[in-house]
Amino acid sequence: SSDLKQAPSVSVSPGQTATITCSGDALSKQYVYWYQQKAGQAPVLVMFQDNERPSGIPERFSGSSSGTTVTLTITGVQPEDEADYYCQSADTSGTYRVFGGGTRVTVL
Amino acid sequence: QVHLEQSGAEVKKPGASVKVSCKASGYNFGDNDVNWVRQAPGQGLEWMGWMNPTTGNTVYAQRLQGRVTMTASISMSTAFMELSRLTFEDTAVYFCAREKSGDFQLDLWGQGTLVTVSS
Repeated sequence: SSDLKQAPSVSVSPGQTATITCSGDALSKQYVYWYQQKAGQAPVLVMFQDNERPSGIPERFSGSSSGTTVTLTITGVQPEDEADYYCQSADTSGTYRVFGGGTRVTVL
Repeated sequence: QVHLEQSGAEVKKPGASVKVSCKASGYNFGDNDVNWVRQAPGQGLEWMGWMNPTTGNTVYAQRLQGRVTMTASISMSTAFMELSRLTFEDTAVYFCAREKSGDFQLDLWGQGTLVTVSS
């Protein structure tokens, strides 16, 4: 299956650490990409190939992977990090793309 | 400056078709696949498919097969997504996104086009 599973929501206080996970059978073979989407805006890539940060993305964003689970970590969450976060990958053949259901990060 | 500019909002009746455009600027349009992604109100991102502007090759999400057509004009640096036999469930914001060559990352997104299906 190429389905990707994410928890619907995560709440965190400013300065604390937010952990967002994405799991799926294909992830042992395919990289994961993470997008941040704020209300009314287009998604923005915040992590690629599991743990690579695009230029311009703050260092507090990091990624890791283990088996069929990939994790996006925001260390020292800021109020502006409040958003929906989606993981994206491909099926094992690399033909189809797929998104996880998204995780809403709320900064208390 | 690299940019994807999408066409404006549309209102369509059930059973009709809609065609959304996505004009690229600031890079060689033919070098990258274009993906289309939609988002129904209050819902998550749904991948619709991708196309290669140079070869015309396409891959569509299985649930949209037979209703979606993705095309492109290299001379206009523009990608198009047409969705037919619209239902209320097709009401969504439709995004185009550039896929980085040799990778699956969507590194450049259009601003989105709202398509409303209403009787």
